[in-house]
Amino acid sequence: DGGITQSPKYLFRKEGQNVTLSCEQNLNHDAMYWYRQDPGQGLRLIYYSQIVNDFQKGDIAEGYSVSREKKESFPLTVTSAQKNPTAFYLCASSIILGSGNTEAFFGQGTRLTVV
Amino acid sequence: QKEVEQDPGPLSVPEGAIVSLNCTYSNSAFQYFMWYRQYSRKGPELLMYTYSSGNKEDGRFTAQVDKSSKYISLFIRDSQPSDSATYLCAMGTNAGKSTFGDGTTLTVKP
Repeated sequence: DGGITQSPKYLFRKEGQNVTLSCEQNLNHDAMYWYRQDPGQGLRLIYYSQIVNDFQKGDIAEGYSVSREKKESFPLTVTSAQKNPTAFYLCASSIILGSGNTEAFFGQGTRLTVV
Repeated sequence: QKEVEQDPGPLSVPEGAIVSLNCTYSNSAFQYFMWYRQYSRKGPELLMYTYSSGNKEDGRFTAQVDKSSKYISLFIRDSQPSDSATYLCAMGTNAGKSTFGDGTTLTVKP
């Protein structure tokens, strides 16, 4: 089945640690995205990538880093510089057409908790 | 001011009711419009996607876009308890990223 796989589903981080969230897609989509969702709020864009080896900052990139070495993979690292990392993290992907990006499809999310 | 404003809710309706969910936006560059459904602790699921002003129907769901008023709506007919979820509107440009509303939580009571 085609889709987007995020792992792990739950992640606990100690203060001062970096952690990496995995996102893999087998949809052959060009674009991939990372969003953060806090309780009662919508999705805020952290980073996005339209092509391998290239990515752009979203609205809340501080304290996060990404890489796009392969089309199907877009891991997100939450660094110790992120002061409030406890949140629900969502990865998404979409096709890029000549007219622009199409709708995004989401993974099932990773819930990160700082302990 | 946020680019996308969504009616906050929460919204509670009896089973069988017609539900109206609404968003307004300020960015004229938005060209495509989406509605997602998100169950608790799950990723959003795409419900509707449209480029143009007017109505788009899919089963019990109708998406309405009015670009002149910068207003979009999602109507759910014959609502069911399984429709209980948070609904997110989203809008995008050809620049490659979408902007989401904060979501409206809907409860459909049997």
